[in-house]
Amino acid sequence: QKEVEQDPGPLSVPEGAIVSLNCTYSNSAFQYFMWYRQYSRKGPELLMYTYSSGNKEDGRFTAQVDKSSKYISLFIRDSQPSDSATYLCAMKFSGGYNKLIFGAGTRLAVHP
Amino acid sequence: KAGVTQTPRYLIKTRGQQVTLSCSPISGHRSVSWYQQTPGQGLQFLFEYFSETQRNKGNFPGRFSGRQFSNSRSEMNVSTLELGDSALYLCASSFAQSGETQYFGPGTRLLVL
Repeated sequence: QKEVEQDPGPLSVPEGAIVSLNCTYSNSAFQYFMWYRQYSRKGPELLMYTYSSGNKEDGRFTAQVDKSSKYISLFIRDSQPSDSATYLCAMKFSGGYNKLIFGAGTRLAVHP
Repeated sequence: KAGVTQTPRYLIKTRGQQVTLSCSPISGHRSVSWYQQTPGQGLQFLFEYFSETQRNKGNFPGRFSGRQFSNSRSEMNVSTLELGDSALYLCASSFAQSGETQYFGPGTRLLVL
């Protein structure tokens, strides 16, 4: 079993829809949770960064962390065709080093 | 502020050769990490350097190595290339030792024939 599980999709939604992306993890020692967006043939771009549990909002994006369930989510409101990309969740332990453990990534297509 | 830069962007090599990839972190960032991205395995951590010292290493064979210079620029080297080394190699930089976000470069796409 992988440490971080993420449904690879693809996920196809109409423009304007609310998108929900999720990851589950097995190691309760993870403390930092991130969402990256990766366009085709580009490097991952940091979208959201959360420490421990709770919600964080930035524009159309909301990240949620539920440590009791070992479950994290990213919500995209009013989705746009430009949101079409692969979304990667990533996690890190507290203290020490900068090793990120990634999910497989979910491919999202937003069609006009 | 300039982002993370990686050179070269594309490389074609043959089996048995070796390759060196370069990464320049964001100005002021002292931590540089390397990742390998393949369709089958996704993004996997290779190693991390901080202040010229390797602090952490992923589960890759010894053919994969790296170093960091005093200006925080980093290189990774892969010797005796195998077909399975074909991948996107990504470099990420961050300011502090831990607890900080990491920013990725565009990657070097390596094709081994």
